[in-house]
Formats: sequence, structure tokens, C-alpha cells
Amino acid sequence: GNSVTQMEGPVTLSEEAFLTINCTYTATGYPSLFWYVQYPGEGLQLLLKATKADDKGSNKGFEATYRKETTSFHLEKGSVQVSDSAVYFCALSDHGTDKLIFGTGTRLQVFP
Amino acid sequence: EPEVTQTPSHQVTQMGQEVILRCVPISNHLYFYWYRQILGQKVEFLVSFYNNEISEKSEIFDDQFSVERPDGSNFTLKIRSTKLEDSAMYFCASSPRDRGEKLFFGSGTQLSVL
Repeated sequence: GNSVTQMEGPVTLSEEAFLTINCTYTATGYPSLFWYVQYPGEGLQLLLKATKADDKGSNKGFEATYRKETTSFHLEKGSVQVSDSAVYFCALSDHGTDKLIFGTGTRLQVFP
Repeated sequence: EPEVTQTPSHQVTQMGQEVILRCVPISNHLYFYWYRQILGQKVEFLVSFYNNEISEKSEIFDDQFSVERPDGSNFTLKIRSTKLEDSAMYFCASSPRDRGEKLFFGSGTQLSVL
């Protein structure tokens, strides 16, 4: 079945460091791919998405490119801030279904 | 910005008891969802709900689970007879449209079954 695999956390970085959080997926067909973020005490929020191969989603300095050849959707940011500390979830949805399939989430901790 | 509200934030119950988790979705949304995350595991889809009926459910969502939209604003998840393995963070979500469009999630209810 369809699944999403994320790198284990926590990821600990200093402010202004480069961030990569790896995400790979297994799916039949051509899913849409998402990154959600959960800040402390809040719900999951959509960070960015891509709906087809080679699409790049971007928001708030974060980027992820839908790579069909490597079945990946890695999240990157060039310079993280303390305020980026949160849990990041990679997810996919099959077209024609209601549900999102999530990874386990990766906790990012950014220190000044 | 409108948000999805879940209450309570933390609920403790005894095994075998019934529990109702409450959610108030965003008012003009049409699609409603429950997900859960057992500690250390993936966020899992439970059920989706549209037009006053279940549109899709997972294997997890067995006869012990039910959902209801009793009054046009609340969206509830009922677990009839809780088991230890039901302990998890339960997230409600709503969407103006379906099929993987932007979901708005609540902050979750942490259910602890003792």
C-alpha cells in the first residue's frame, strides 16, 4: 500500500543553518505530496504542496520538489530561524480518495 | 484566521468507558475528518465525513467508533468501549473541498486510556 517515510528526529540546528528533512514515498499512480507543520500547542498546518512530478512547492522560505524518479519530496530551507522549531510531517494523497497518508513527523529544534 | 477547535485538549478515561471527542470545524467547510497519532507512530486516517454521512473510513474505524455532526457546528468522534490501544492524539480536520485539498487541523485531543 501507499506509505511515507521520513527521517528520524530530532533535527537540531543553529540559527541560519541549512535544513534538509528527507521524505520518500511509495505509491501507485501519481499522488499529490504535502508538507505539514505543527508548532507547539497548535494543529497541523499546510506548509507547501506539489501535485505532479517536477513541481516545486514553496512557502516561508521552505521548498520541496516532487521527484518521481527518486520517489522523494525532501524539505529544504536555506537559513532556519528559532521560530521554525516545530514538527514537520510529510504526506501524500491519492487522487480520488479523501485521505492523507502521513509520515511519523520530524521534530526540528533551532537554537540561537 | 478561522480555526478548527478541539475539546478537551487532554482526556483520561478508564478502559471500557465510552468517550466523545469534540470538534468545531471551520464554519463554511463541507468535509470533515478524524486522524490519530499513537505516540511514536504515524498520523493515521480514521474517517472522512461529508453531507451527513461517512464518505471513507480506514480499517481502524471499526464498530467501536462512530462520528456525528449533531447540530451543524460540532463534529464528534465517539469510542464506545475504549481499549488501552486507543490511547493516542486525535486530530480533527476540515476542508472546504475534498480530495487532498488544504485541510485545516485542530490542535488535537490527547486521549489516555488507563
